[in-house]
Amino acid sequence: EVQLVESGGGLVKPGASLKLSCVASGFTFSDYWMSWVRQTPGKTMEWIGDIKYDGSYTHYAPSLKNRFTISRDNAKSTLYLQMSNVRSEDTATYYCTRTNPYWYFDFWGPGTMVTVSS
Amino acid sequence: DVQMTQSPSNLAASPGESVSINCKASKSISKYVAWYQQKPGKANKLLIYSGSTLQSGTPSRFSGSGSGTDFTLTIRNLEPEDFGLYYCQQHNEYPRTFGGGTKLEL
Repeated sequence: EVQLVESGGGLVKPGASLKLSCVASGFTFSDYWMSWVRQTPGKTMEWIGDIKYDGSYTHYAPSLKNRFTISRDNAKSTLYLQMSNVRSEDTATYYCTRTNPYWYFDFWGPGTMVTVSS
Repeated sequence: DVQMTQSPSNLAASPGESVSINCKASKSISKYVAWYQQKPGKANKLLIYSGSTLQSGTPSRFSGSGSGTDFTLTIRNLEPEDFGLYYCQQHNEYPRTFGGGTKLEL
């Protein structure tokens, strides 16, 4: 059974940094592209970016690429999202997703909530 | 970026009825739309991809149609477990983009 479990969310102050993790199981992690998607409190869903199965290539949403970095450790079956200089508009639930070769998201984690507030 | 305009944003229906949710892309995306269901306390679920292909495990009462810029998710004979939030997403190009969501309620 495919499982994705995010962690690392919480309350963070504006301007701070935060690193989210996602541990994967139930499939060969190193065979898949992986993505991060977030959902705002108003329920807007936004794609953040993705990373190639070997970690050699990443894509980002243009509005986020200067502050967010996606990485992975295939030995640990873990996906990461490094968030820097966070803003109030980054308040959201962050989801780790497995990306199908045709670029849709076939499995999602339960999400981890990030609240940016002073 | 491809804008995905989803409608309606809210939809009320009863079990046994049929409903349709629409997504309009700001440019042609061929057939590449996915549909997801979100329910409280459960992981988001992929229902349909490439416009009309049912993901394994998706009940046959769900169907998807459309190509180019106009897409529709239809749910026939609504079951109580179908109520929730639905999103479309284009998987044709970067950046991946989602519709605004449709809340299907009783």
